[in-house]
Amino acid sequence: QKEVEQDPGPLSVPEGAIVSLNCTYSNSAFQYFMWYRQYSRKGPELLMYTYSSGNKEDGRFTAQVDKSSKYISLFIRDSQPSDSATYLCAMKKGGFKTIFGAGTRLFVKA
Amino acid sequence: NAGVMQNPRHLVRRRGQEARLRCSPMKGHSHVYWYRQLPEEGLKFMVYLQKENIIDESGMPKERFSAEFPKEGPSILRIQQVVRGDSAAYFCASSPQGTDQETQYFGPGTRLLVL
Repeated sequence: QKEVEQDPGPLSVPEGAIVSLNCTYSNSAFQYFMWYRQYSRKGPELLMYTYSSGNKEDGRFTAQVDKSSKYISLFIRDSQPSDSATYLCAMKKGGFKTIFGAGTRLFVKA
Repeated sequence: NAGVMQNPRHLVRRRGQEARLRCSPMKGHSHVYWYRQLPEEGLKFMVYLQKENIIDESGMPKERFSAEFPKEGPSILRIQQVVRGDSAAYFCASSPQGTDQETQYFGPGTRLLVL
């Protein structure tokens, strides 16, 4: 069993839709949770970073962590074609070693 | 403020040749991490280095792969006697001090193709 599970998609939505991206994990020792966006043939770019259960909002993006269920989510409101990318969840116990999900490919259609 | 720089962006090698991938961290960052990404897979940690020290290489294959981060110059990931299975995107990331709450900033990657 992988430590971090993420549905690879692809997920296709119309412009303006609310997008929900999710990851589950098995190791309760994970404390820090991140979401990265990766455009095709580019490096990952940090979107959100949280270290507690609950919600964190940044513009159109909301990250949600539920440690009791070992479940994290990223919500994108008013999705735009420019949001089309692969979204990687990532987490770590502490220190440097970061475990990444496989990524979900998102397509936002104009 | 330049981000993490990697070169070359694309590298083609024949089986048995050597591949050298370079990474210059962000200004002020002294911690470098190398990851490998295979098609349709997430990033897999390979090695973590500080200047002149390998901190953790638990994700790196025991043979043919090595990494260094000298006092001067970029970090280098070296793959000797490449095989087709080494074809992947290799990403470098850096952080300022390697503390728990820091995040890692990624470069654009080097795409290695082994013929």
